[in-house]
Amino acid sequence: QKEVEQDPGPLSVPEGAIVSLNCTYSNSAFQYFMWYRQYSRKGPELLMYTYSSGNKEDGRFTAQVDKSSKYISLFIRDSQPSDSATYLCAMSGASNAGKSTFGDGTTLTVKP
Amino acid sequence: NAGVTQTPKFQVLKTGQSMTLQCAQDMNHEYMSWYRQDPGMGLRLIHYSVGAGITDQGEVPNGYNVSRSTTEDFPLRLLSAAPSQTSVYFCASRPRLAGAYNEQFFGPGTRLTVL
Repeated sequence: QKEVEQDPGPLSVPEGAIVSLNCTYSNSAFQYFMWYRQYSRKGPELLMYTYSSGNKEDGRFTAQVDKSSKYISLFIRDSQPSDSATYLCAMSGASNAGKSTFGDGTTLTVKP
Repeated sequence: NAGVTQTPKFQVLKTGQSMTLQCAQDMNHEYMSWYRQDPGMGLRLIHYSVGAGITDQGEVPNGYNVSRSTTEDFPLRLLSAAPSQTSVYFCASRPRLAGAYNEQFFGPGTRLTVL
């Protein structure tokens, strides 16, 4: 069983929709929870990160971590065609110097 | 500030050939990593380094070698290419700063096809 499981998608939504992207994990040692966005034929770029449990908001994006359920989510409000990309969740241990474990990614298409 | 650069962008090899994928960063980051990404899959760690002269294996190290003689460079060597190594390879770097989250920066990737 993989340490990190990500809802596979793909997702296709109309512009303006609310999008929910989700990952579950099994390793209780994970403390940092990241979301990366990867445009086609580009390298991943960090979108948001959260330390331990709780919510974090940045503009139209909200990241949630529920450590009791080992479940993390990324919400995108008022989705735009420019949000069309693959979204990867990633997690790492408390040292923050260690290796990150990635989900398989969810490809999102926002249609105008 | 170029960030993380990778060369070449594309490469086609025949089975059994060897080659080196180059990675360089100009941000003075201590940590550097190599990942491979296959269709429909996330990033899998091949090798990583926590500083010049120090390397360690990741999740899928077989068939690959690395070395870190300088802070800036972290080349990945394919010893004898196999079709199973057809993939997109990403190099990444991050600083080592205590007490804060240290963002990992990725290069643009090298697309490798082994025939």
